[in-house]
Amino acid sequence: QVQLVQSGAEVRKPEASVKVSCKASGYTFIGYAINWVRQAPGQRLEWMGWINAGNGDTKYSQKFQDRLTITRDTSATTVYMELSSLRSEDTAVYYCARVYDGYDWGAFDIWGQGTMVSVSS
Amino acid sequence: QLVLTQSPTASASLGASVKLTCTLRSGHSNYVIAWHQQQPEKGPRYLMHLNSDGSHIKGDGIADRFSGSSSGAERYLTISSLQSEDEADYYCQTWDTGIQVFGGGTKLTVL
Repeated sequence: QVQLVQSGAEVRKPEASVKVSCKASGYTFIGYAINWVRQAPGQRLEWMGWINAGNGDTKYSQKFQDRLTITRDTSATTVYMELSSLRSEDTAVYYCARVYDGYDWGAFDIWGQGTMVSVSS
Repeated sequence: QLVLTQSPTASASLGASVKLTCTLRSGHSNYVIAWHQQQPEKGPRYLMHLNSDGSHIKGDGIADRFSGSSSGAERYLTISSLQSEDEADYYCQTWDTGIQVFGGGTKLTVL
């Protein structure tokens, strides 16, 4: 079935980086865009950025522009999210999500299970 | 600026119906939105996307109890025959080229 499976929980110290993976299966990987969304404890969902899995184009929220990198490996059908210069406020659950029906921008119809990233000294 | 507004909380009794609202900021009243459900300690789950004319397409396996409708800048999610497992946070989402936006979410309590 169509699914996105993310890598496991991570713990980092401030100023470090973290890289989270999102493996897609059950559909044509290059035909769909993937987004990254995070949710700090008790907070709303927050969009971080987007990648076109076909051509690798990316777009980042202005908030994360300077320290977020999203890449993909088409042979592994996997998208990666790397966030650098971590601070305590980056402690959150990070989700990948697929855009519906092959559109570049649209509803998220498939979500990963989430990856907890904790930042603490 | 693309903004979605949701009431923070809602409540309804077991077996009853509830209508949740997501409001688009002025100037964006024709935008499509999506509804997502997030049960406690779980990730979000796509429910449907909803057009300005009220037509909607639900995700796979979403029960008939969930339906959507629209009026002007408002988008609604109606849940009928409420069950205990419907107690969750409900988020609306919209988008434009280069940006995705979420509402603040509505926490639904089933009494």
